[in-house]
Amino acid sequence: DAGVIQSPRHEVTEMGQEVTLRCKPISGHNSLFWYRQTMMRGLELLIYFNNNVPIDDSGMPEDRFSAKMPNASFSTLKIQPSEPRDSAVYFCASSPIGGRNGYTFGSGTRLTVV
Amino acid sequence: GDSVTQMEGPVTLSEEAFLTINCTYTATGYPSLFWYVQYPGEGLQLLLKATKADDKGSNKGFEATYRKETTSFHLEKGSVQVSDSAVYFCALSDLRGADGLTFGKGTHLIIQP
Repeated sequence: DAGVIQSPRHEVTEMGQEVTLRCKPISGHNSLFWYRQTMMRGLELLIYFNNNVPIDDSGMPEDRFSAKMPNASFSTLKIQPSEPRDSAVYFCASSPIGGRNGYTFGSGTRLTVV
Repeated sequence: GDSVTQMEGPVTLSEEAFLTINCTYTATGYPSLFWYVQYPGEGLQLLLKATKADDKGSNKGFEATYRKETTSFHLEKGSVQVSDSAVYFCALSDLRGADGLTFGKGTHLIIQP
């Protein structure tokens, strides 16, 4: 199994531009989570999906952030327009439903907004 | 709500020293508890877990015991190596386990040769 695959690994963009981060979960995992990691706030849960349905997006910081999961093997996190304070590492994780045995994380996307 | 508190870092030790990283939690019910490790430039990797009171998780020489009476899940290793240098995160999931993990802020461990 290739694990959770995120792309791109690094993204540098100018303020005001649209940014799309992508995630392919592990096949057979029914839950998908988007996290953001910064030095100031640590790891924050942004949104998660169960069976492709968004369950809780209360962690999404602003309306500029949106996430979709059109099918079981693909999810996107979009920021439009991007701002410098969005600079962070964004992680995607997946698990079987009822993840009491832990989640598998991708390698992350390091986003820099200049 | 649920929360996890870890000791502040960085923690600097010499090779072969004994390691303890403290972790305490606040949660309703009976959460599962985890330790994740993050090496520089990489994502988080599950190091060990425990799903009920008195369980001991272990992996790669690391151990942690789920102590419900003290709401703790301290990470220990008897003899650390330079390759153990990383950031360690304590985390919990709720009873259903479907609502995401709650993480501590992480402890940066530095092992000097």
